[in-house]
Amino acid sequence: GDSVTQMEGPVTLSEEAFLTINCTYTATGYPSLFWYVQYPGEGLQLLLKATKADDKGSNKGFEATYRKETTSFHLEKGSVQVSDSAVYFCALLGMDTGRRALTFGSGTRLQVQP
Amino acid sequence: EAGVAQSPRYKIIEKRQSVAFWCNPISGHATLYWYQQILGQGPKLLIQFQNNGVVDDSQLPKDRFSAERLKGVDSTLKIQPAKLEDSAVYLCASSLGLSNEQFFGPGTRLTVL
Repeated sequence: GDSVTQMEGPVTLSEEAFLTINCTYTATGYPSLFWYVQYPGEGLQLLLKATKADDKGSNKGFEATYRKETTSFHLEKGSVQVSDSAVYFCALLGMDTGRRALTFGSGTRLQVQP
Repeated sequence: EAGVAQSPRYKIIEKRQSVAFWCNPISGHATLYWYQQILGQGPKLLIQFQNNGVVDDSQLPKDRFSAERLKGVDSTLKIQPAKLEDSAVYLCASSLGLSNEQFFGPGTRLTVL
């Protein structure tokens, strides 16, 4: 079945540091890929997405590129802020048209220190 | 536009008791999902509705969990009887259709003692 593996946290960075959170997936065909963010006390929010190979999703300075050859969708940001502290989830939406539910990774907690 | 509403936000019960959660999706969204998020893990789908019909409940523990979607709008998820391992956050999400973006509610945090 479909699965998502992402790097374990917590990831602790200083403000303005470069961020990479690794995500790899296993799925048949060409799934859609997502990054969700969960700020403290809030619900999951879609951060960015990519629906086909080589697509780059971007939002709020975050980027991720859909790499079919390496089955990866790593999240990057050039300069993190304290306000980026949250839990980040990589997810995929598989090709099974009868079951269009997201498969999530286990999440990576990011802590940004001033 | 109002988001997905869930209640209660927090619930503490003892094992073997019953509990129910309520979800009101975004107006006009045909698809509704219930996910279970255990601490330290990503959300896992429990059940998916399209209007008032069940699309997928393959991961719902049917001996203790049940869910319904009244008139294709609101939904309730029930656990009876609860076990310690049911302690988790229960997330409701909705989307316009099966292939559209899912919007999540704030979740209900359940603690089973």
